[in-house]
Amino acid sequence: DGGITQSPKYLFRKEGQNVTLSCEQNLNHDAMYWYRQDPGQGLRLIYYSQIVNDFQKGDIAEGYSVSREKKESFPLTVTSAQKNPTAFYLCASSITGSDEQYFGPGTRLTVT
Amino acid sequence: GQQLNQSPQSMFIQEGEDVSMNCTSSSIFNTWLWYKQDPGEGPVLLIALYKAGELTSNGRLTAQFGITRKDSFLNISASIPSDVGIYFCAGQSRDDKIIFGKGTRLHILP
Repeated sequence: DGGITQSPKYLFRKEGQNVTLSCEQNLNHDAMYWYRQDPGQGLRLIYYSQIVNDFQKGDIAEGYSVSREKKESFPLTVTSAQKNPTAFYLCASSITGSDEQYFGPGTRLTVT
Repeated sequence: GQQLNQSPQSMFIQEGEDVSMNCTSSSIFNTWLWYKQDPGEGPVLLIALYKAGELTSNGRLTAQFGITRKDSFLNISASIPSDVGIYFCAGQSRDDKIIFGKGTRLHILP
C-alpha cells in the first residue's frame, strides 16, 4: 500500500536533548512538508522540500532542522533551541505543483 | 499574513442532523481544500476545489468554492457517529502557500 509513515507514534525526551522524527513516503511525491499542531490550533508549517537536496523554511522554522537526502525521506530534528517543543508533528507530501497534501499519522512529542 | 477564519469553532448536533461549516478570508484563494482529522491521527483530504462557484460532493459531504473566491463551505448530510472529528479548511494563497484554518470540532450526541 502507498502512503506516508511517521515513527514513532509517541516520543518522550528530556529538555536539552535533540530528537529526530522520521517521515517516509512511497507515493513517489517530490514535495514533502512538516507541520506542527498545538491544541485548538491550525497546522503551522515548519519546513518544506520541493525536491531532493533542497528545502525551505516555513513560518516557524526556528529551533528545527531538516534534511532531504532521498526522495522518500524527510526527517525533522527538534533541537534544544526550540523553546516549546511539546506538540503533535505532522508530515505530508504532494505531487509537485499540486495543492493536495497527504498526511502521515503524526508523532506526538513530549519534552519534560 | 493571510488568515483563514473557520466557523464555528465547535458544534454539537444530534445524530442524523445536517451540518454546515465555513471558511472565510479577506484575501482571494486559488484553491480550497477540506480535511478531516480523527483524534491522534493525521488529517485526511475530503474534497479539493479549484474553480470559483465549483460545487463538489463526496458521499454525504458537499463543498463549494465561493464565487468571490474568499470563502468556502462544507456540508455534511445525515450525520453519523463516525463523522466526529475536526474539520479543517485550507486554501492556497497568492504566494502559493497552503494556509490552514483552526478547525471546526464536530461532536455528535446519541
